[in-house]
Amino acid sequence: ILNVEQSPQSLHVQEGDSTNFTCSFPSSNFYALHWYRWETAKSPEALFVMTLNGDEKKKGRISATLNTKEGYSYLYIKGSQPEDSATYLCAFEGYSSASKIIFGSGTRLSIRP
Amino acid sequence: DTEVTQTPKHLVMGMTNKKSLKCEQHMGHRAMYWYKQKAKKPPELMFVYSYEKLSINESVPSRFSPECPNSSLLNLHLHALQPEDSALYLCASSQDGQGTQNYGYTFGSGTRLTVV
Repeated sequence: ILNVEQSPQSLHVQEGDSTNFTCSFPSSNFYALHWYRWETAKSPEALFVMTLNGDEKKKGRISATLNTKEGYSYLYIKGSQPEDSATYLCAFEGYSSASKIIFGSGTRLSIRP
Repeated sequence: DTEVTQTPKHLVMGMTNKKSLKCEQHMGHRAMYWYKQKAKKPPELMFVYSYEKLSINESVPSRFSPECPNSSLLNLHLHALQPEDSALYLCASSQDGQGTQNYGYTFGSGTRLTVV
């Protein structure tokens, strides 16, 4: 059974502060690691798809790193804004199960004005 | 058009009803997916269609019947559901079903299904 774990489950952050959270995944059979942002009543939106060990991707104030050897990825948000409030999901895609991504339970982020 | 459109947004159905969920995309994506999500749980894969052929069925009960009439449309036919089938049903698409590389999935906003 493939396990994708995210921590923490929820996070409350003051506006303007920076924050980060973790996704851990199997270190074998790795193909890609996805990050999605899911705002209430909207569609999950792809942030990053990462494939290379050591890769770092950035989109505005959000960035992500990837360590495939030890099976973890960090998502960082710099200078949190109220519009960053959402659930952040990571998902693991393995070589032997391409097109079958396994989601973590998400980190629910709330930004306090 | 960069969206996946799902209808209806909300559906309440009785256990003896037959209903269908619809999903549509016009991005030229050749893989489409149905996910089921219960509250505070991760989305769980139900079905994958790749080039209009069913490529993955995650041992879903036969009361859920997927259909892919063409490369832009994906349906989920529902019959004799149980109250525990109440959930958010998400549709997604990707460029192809061979691994999503740098593109990720494009999701619809889901159908909130309640079975009474």
